[in-house]
Amino acid sequence: SYVLTQPPSVSVPPGKTARITCGGNNIGSKRVQWYQQKPGQAPVLVIYYDSDWPSGIPDRFSGSNSGNTATLTISRVEAGDEADYYCQVWDSDSDHPHVIFGGGTKLTVL
Amino acid sequence: QITLKESGPTLVKPTQSLTLTCTVSGFSLRTRAVGVGWIRQPPGKALEWLALIYWDDDKHYSPYLKNRLTITKDTSRNQVVLTLTNMDPVDTATYYCAHSRSINLNPYYFDYWGLGTLVTVSS
Repeated sequence: SYVLTQPPSVSVPPGKTARITCGGNNIGSKRVQWYQQKPGQAPVLVIYYDSDWPSGIPDRFSGSNSGNTATLTISRVEAGDEADYYCQVWDSDSDHPHVIFGGGTKLTVL
Repeated sequence: QITLKESGPTLVKPTQSLTLTCTVSGFSLRTRAVGVGWIRQPPGKALEWLALIYWDDDKHYSPYLKNRLTITKDTSRNQVVLTLTNMDPVDTATYYCAHSRSINLNPYYFDYWGLGTLVTVSS
C-alpha cells in the first residue's frame, strides 16, 4: 500500500523559512494537500492540489511537488504557525481508491 | 458559510457498534462534486481517513476498516451517518467529519472540518 513519510519534527526560529517534506513513491504524479492542526483543534486545509491556497490562508504558505517529494514551505515563520502538519493524497492505484495521510510533522518555532 | 457538527456517544463498550452523525449546513449534500468524509485521530497520533460519501451517493471506504464501516446520507435532514461495528479500545479517537470537494475532476480534498467528537471504547 502507498505510504507517505514525514519527518516527526522541524524547528525554525521566527522569521526564518520552514520546509516540511512528504515523501512517497512518485508522489509528483499525485495531488497533495497539506493540513495544519493546532493542539486541541480540528485540522485546517492550508494547501490543496500541490500549491493552491484556500481563501484566508496567507501566501507565506506555499507548496511544491516533484519526483518522490512534496514540500510545504512556510516563509517568515511566526509563533502562531507552531502546529502539526499533515500531508494527504489519494491512493488511486489500488482496486479501492482511498485517502492516505502522512504521519504528521510537529513544527516548533524556537 | 459551511459548517459541520459531529454527534454521537462519547463512550461505547467493546464489541458494540458506534453510530456517529454529521449534521451539515451551508451546502447541499446533492451539490455536484461535493462529498462528506470521516477522519479519526487517536490521542496523540496521526489522522486516519475512514470513509467518504459523494454527492451522487457513491462511497469509498478505508481498505483497512472496510468490513466494519458503513456510511450513508440523508439529504433531507442534511446528515451523514457513519457506523463502525465491533468496537475495540484501539478505536478510541476523536472522530471528525469534513466537507470535501473536487475541482475539475481532480481528487477530492477536505476544506471544512467539524470540531470533532471524542469516542472512548471501554468496558
